[in-house]
Amino acid sequence: GAGVSQSPSNKVTEKGKDVELRCDPISGHTALYWYRQSLGQGLEFLIYFQGNSAPDKSGLPSDRFSAERTGGSVSTLTIQRTQQEDSAVYLCASSPNFLGQPQHFGDGTRLSIL
Amino acid sequence: GENVEQHPSTLSVQEGDSAVIKCTYSDSASNYFPWYKQELGKGPQLIIDIRSNVGEKKDQRIAVTLNKTAKHFSLHITETQPEDSAVYFCAARINTGNQFYFGTGTSLTVIP
Repeated sequence: GAGVSQSPSNKVTEKGKDVELRCDPISGHTALYWYRQSLGQGLEFLIYFQGNSAPDKSGLPSDRFSAERTGGSVSTLTIQRTQQEDSAVYLCASSPNFLGQPQHFGDGTRLSIL
Repeated sequence: GENVEQHPSTLSVQEGDSAVIKCTYSDSASNYFPWYKQELGKGPQLIIDIRSNVGEKKDQRIAVTLNKTAKHFSLHITETQPEDSAVYFCAARINTGNQFYFGTGTSLTVIP
């Protein structure tokens, strides 16, 4: 079946511009996560959505970062006034809403800020 | 919250040898431990997982062991092949939520 889909796969933009990254989770998965991965580094948690509950935004690094999930499915991560330190791979994952089930990751969006 | 530590950060082995990666966790409420393999330019892919009610799980050349008392779990890859070269991440999830906590990754190189 279809996996987690992220778009675009690559994004190059100038410092100060806003960017939107999209994630299509696996159908039926109620949990959706965003992570940031800098070059050669681990996974930095950003935000987590679970069904209709209020999202866990505890990992967002600044108020320039926001995310929404419409209709419990597609999610958009928005970065306003991008800075060079925002350059990274942004990964999305989804999982079913039962304990003991893994996350399934997309291949990420590689964001480069010039 | 949970804290997951992973060692070593880099590992090189000769083809055919075994590789072992170790992780420790801090919260005794963690009850689910997946392992992911990440190849260059790709997202992490689940390779094996273990739940806290078992001590070991095996899938062909890959095995995971869990010691709940010591709060550590390990990934074992036997008869390594060049295609096993990748970055491996361990993770833990607490039984009260859906948040995953990741280790910092191990870059495995299998030398032909």
